[in-house]
This record gives sequence, C-alpha cells and structure tokens, in this order.
Amino acid sequence: DAEITQSPRHKITETGRQVTLACHQTWNHNNMFWYRQDLGHGLRLIHYSYGVQDTNKGEVSDGYSVSRSNTEDLPLTLESAASSQTSVYFCASSEPLTETQYFGPGTRLLVL
Amino acid sequence: GENVEQHPSTLSVQEGDSAVIKCTYSDSASNYFPWYKQELGKRPQLIIDIRSNVGEKKDQRIAVTLNKTAKHFSLHITETQPEDSAVYFCAASKAGNTPLVFGKGTRLSVIA
Repeated sequence: DAEITQSPRHKITETGRQVTLACHQTWNHNNMFWYRQDLGHGLRLIHYSYGVQDTNKGEVSDGYSVSRSNTEDLPLTLESAASSQTSVYFCASSEPLTETQYFGPGTRLLVL
Repeated sequence: GENVEQHPSTLSVQEGDSAVIKCTYSDSASNYFPWYKQELGKRPQLIIDIRSNVGEKKDQRIAVTLNKTAKHFSLHITETQPEDSAVYFCAASKAGNTPLVFGKGTRLSVIA
C-alpha cells in the first residue's frame, strides 16, 4: 500500500549539530510539506514543495532548509540545531486537485 | 496572509452529548476547509472537509457547516463516544494550490 514514512521516529542531538529528518512518500504526490507541532501552537508550516526542484518557505522557516531532488522525498535539515527546535515534526503530502494532506507518523526531536 | 482562530481550546462533554468546535478565518479568498483529528501520540488524520460552494456536509455523526459571509466554519459531533476524545484541528486554504493554515487545536474529552 502507498504510504508516507518518516525517519528517525525519535532523535536526540546536541546544540549546534546538523540534523536531517527524512520524509518519503509512495503516492507520487507532487506536494510535500513539513510542519512542527508544539503545545499551544498547533501545526506550523516550516517549508513546502510543489514538485521536483521547487521549495518554498513557510511561517517558521528560519534555521531549516529542504531540498527536492525527486518526487518521493523531502528531507528537512536543521543547519545548527537549537534548543528552540525541540519539537515534534510532521511531514505531509497531497495532490493539488484534492488538497487532502496525508501526514507521516512524526519525528520527535530533542535538542540538548 | 491567512489567519485561522479556533475555539474553544479545550472542551469536555458527557458521552452521548454533542460537541461543537468553531473556527474563523481572515482571508475571504479561502475556499477549502478541512478538519483533522489527532489522537494522543498519533498523526493528524482528515475526518471531514468542506469547500466554499457548499454550506454543510455530513458524514455519519460528524458534520461541518460553513458561513462564508461571516467567515467561520464549525465542526459538529453528535452522540459523542469516548473514542472521539482527541485534539481536533481546523484549517483553511485558498484555491491555486496554497498551503493549509491550521488553527491551534481543540482538545476534546468525552467523559463516560
């Protein structure tokens, strides 16, 4: 069955380290999104992509980057991890016509 | 840009009673309004959505209503059950493949 996966599911890192979170979908969706979820803030958009080589900044993009080299993957990189980036990260994908977003299982990141 | 406000932030109801969650949006060009349910430790999942050409949509015990003039939409859950306990998020987006903007969520507790 088609699905969307994230790895790792849990990550502990130190301040200043570079961290990459993986997102992979097998639906062949053009649209992919990264969100962070923090108590009291709901789901906030970090970056998104509408296709290969396309990337766009979201509401809270500072300190994060993404690249889209194929349809299936949208890795999220924290260039220099900060304690403020401790959060749960969700990846999602959708097709433009339906707009329904399907979320991955999430990655829980702790920055010490 | 779009801003989505969601109320209440927490809601407790007795099993069998109805629950109503309300959202307002700021951009009159928004035309797609999904609702997501997130159980503890799980990913958000779409439960129902509505588009601006429809005033109401029902799916078994769940219904969504939309008032374009007032720019608000609501989720109605009837005959609530303990398994309805979760965090519910509303969202809005415009036509033209724009990202969803989420409300901050409502934690619904159904008391048996």
